[in-house]
Amino acid sequence: EADIYQTPRYLVIGTGKKITLECSQTMGHDKMYWYQQDPGMELHLIHYSYGVNSTEKGDLSSESTVSRIRTEHFPLTLESARPSHTSQYLCASSDTQGYTFGSGTRLTVV
Amino acid sequence: GEDVEQSLFLSVREGDSSVINCTYTDSSSTYLYWYKQEPGAGLQLLTYIFSNMDMKQDQRLTVLLNKKDKHLSLRIADTQTGDSAIYFCAGQTGANNLFFGTGTRLTVIP
Repeated sequence: EADIYQTPRYLVIGTGKKITLECSQTMGHDKMYWYQQDPGMELHLIHYSYGVNSTEKGDLSSESTVSRIRTEHFPLTLESARPSHTSQYLCASSDTQGYTFGSGTRLTVV
Repeated sequence: GEDVEQSLFLSVREGDSSVINCTYTDSSSTYLYWYKQEPGAGLQLLTYIFSNMDMKQDQRLTVLLNKKDKHLSLRIADTQTGDSAIYFCAGQTGANNLFFGTGTRLTVIP
């Protein structure tokens, strides 16, 4: 049973639109992450947070931004979507027991 | 960051054993993970091994770790069609971030 939820599962949106991908977890984990997954399968860390009001950029440069106002919520925002943002976005959280991943949001920008 | 490499494709016949290999570069990796991703889904943790272990067995899954060669493998015994998926190797470094391999697409032939 999933304890980390991502919405929407699929999103098709026009170029220039602002979008927010939602991620929520009910496990009380302090650490949360956003990964971008290429069509060719590789996952790259784009943002992470170690707690409320803490956000850092990951290994892959991204035009997206994140916020962490509440422990359980870690939304990712694209101010102006472009076709190059088409990808799958996976949210995860972790504690000392390991990582839990959401089901992902598949974003297509047309 | 760490580099994690995997072969991209593996095909096996149903009932045979599958062996998925992974090499990593960061010898300070504390945990090494195997995740399974089914089409359109997020990542499901299959198993993990702590860096001071050589082997871990969990039902049909056997993980072997060769620290000297920085080589990790996942063996799936009696492979079933339901095992068809993409398998990701991931290393966790001291910074508590996961570095993923490219993923291996396992196809099980009936």
